[in-house]
Amino acid sequence: GENVEQHPSTLSVQEGDSAVIKCTYSDSASNYFPWYKQELGKGPQLIIDIRSNVGEKKDQRIAVTLNKTAKHFSLHITETQPEDSAVYFCAALRQGGSEKLVFGKGTKLTVNP
Amino acid sequence: EPEVTQTPSHQVTQMGQEVILRCVPISNHLYFYWYRQILGQKVEFLVSFYNNEISEKSEIFDDQFSVERPDGSNFTLKIRSTKLEDSAMYFCASILTGGPAGSRGYTFGSGTRLTVV
Repeated sequence: GENVEQHPSTLSVQEGDSAVIKCTYSDSASNYFPWYKQELGKGPQLIIDIRSNVGEKKDQRIAVTLNKTAKHFSLHITETQPEDSAVYFCAALRQGGSEKLVFGKGTKLTVNP
Repeated sequence: EPEVTQTPSHQVTQMGQEVILRCVPISNHLYFYWYRQILGQKVEFLVSFYNNEISEKSEIFDDQFSVERPDGSNFTLKIRSTKLEDSAMYFCASILTGGPAGSRGYTFGSGTRLTVV
């Protein structure tokens, strides 16, 4: 089955710096890769996603890149703000079946003012 | 914005007791899921439910677990005889449909923290 690895497990940056979180996946049939932000006491919230037919996607300060050959995808947050502090999860999904998500272990991002 | 609602937010139970975790998915969604997250670990898939039956379940989802959609709105997870290792945060999720259009609409509830003592 699919396995998703995520690094780093913790990341501390200064406000205004960039943050990069990386994930790898094992199942070449996975074709949808979302990123979720989880704040304390809440469920995961989708912040950006990418499909396997696209290499890069950007939404304001957040971008995601996908390298299908290497089976890895990354989240880039620029101009970080204290409110970006949260746990971020990458996930992979193979469409056409049960549509289950396979998650990485999460990255706790701390943005220091 | 439509929400997935889970109750209770926190449940403490004694080992061996039965628990039922409740979820109200988004009203027009058709695919329903339970995931769990043991403290400090990744979110893990437990079970998916579509068209009134289980479409996939993980190895974690053994005979002690069951799901039900007793009416048009609720989706429940029952653990028959809880073990200490069942202590985790349990998330319910739903999507409208499968495929590219549906995946983006994955909506999670806020979770139920289950503590087995």
